[in-house]
Amino acid sequence: QKEVEQDPGPLSVPEGAIVSLNCTYSNSAFQYFMWYRQYSRKGPELLMYTYSSGNKEDGRFTAQVDKSSKYISLFIRDSQPSDSATYLCAPNSGNTPLVFGKGTRLSVIA
Amino acid sequence: GAVVSQHPSRVICKSGTSVKIECRSLDFQATTMFWYRQFPKQSLMLMATSNEGSKATYEQGVEKDKFLINHASLTLSTLTVTSAHPEDSSFYICSARGGAERRGNTIYFGEGSWLTVV
Repeated sequence: QKEVEQDPGPLSVPEGAIVSLNCTYSNSAFQYFMWYRQYSRKGPELLMYTYSSGNKEDGRFTAQVDKSSKYISLFIRDSQPSDSATYLCAPNSGNTPLVFGKGTRLSVIA
Repeated sequence: GAVVSQHPSRVICKSGTSVKIECRSLDFQATTMFWYRQFPKQSLMLMATSNEGSKATYEQGVEKDKFLINHASLTLSTLTVTSAHPEDSSFYICSARGGAERRGNTIYFGEGSWLTVV
């Protein structure tokens, strides 16, 4: 099993929709959970940072972590065309490099 | 604003020459930096972990003599692609682990450097 798995998409939604992006991981030592957004031909940009299980909200974005099932989610409310990008989940144990899955490509259609 | 800066953002070089890419943490000290490579529509692939004052740790399959990494200070790591060939053309991205002033274990990425070898 790969360490981090994401559905690569592409996921296409209309503007204003609620988007749900999901990720599973296999390493139970992970306790830091980050979501990055990567626009085409740019470096990844940190979106959300969560420690351990639970929810965290920041504007239109909500990150959710369920360590018992090794499942993490990112919700985007009122999605905008500017949200069109690749979203990368990055669970981490804190002292190792980030390992990424393929990321999920999101297109928000105006 | 950006907390990790990479330079140059884009470089074209001739086959057989060497190219150096710099990665700087702007407002924090980064004892550990990471170098990734990304081909079009592919995932980021970790190349090496760069530790300040010591040798880099390379991932399996990455040639350490070809991709020289130097982490001479707490804010600067460099990647030198030696004797570059067209197959080395790619998007190279560095990242740095934030210190206590930057939420400890959060990792920030640079803007990336596009290398084209002709």
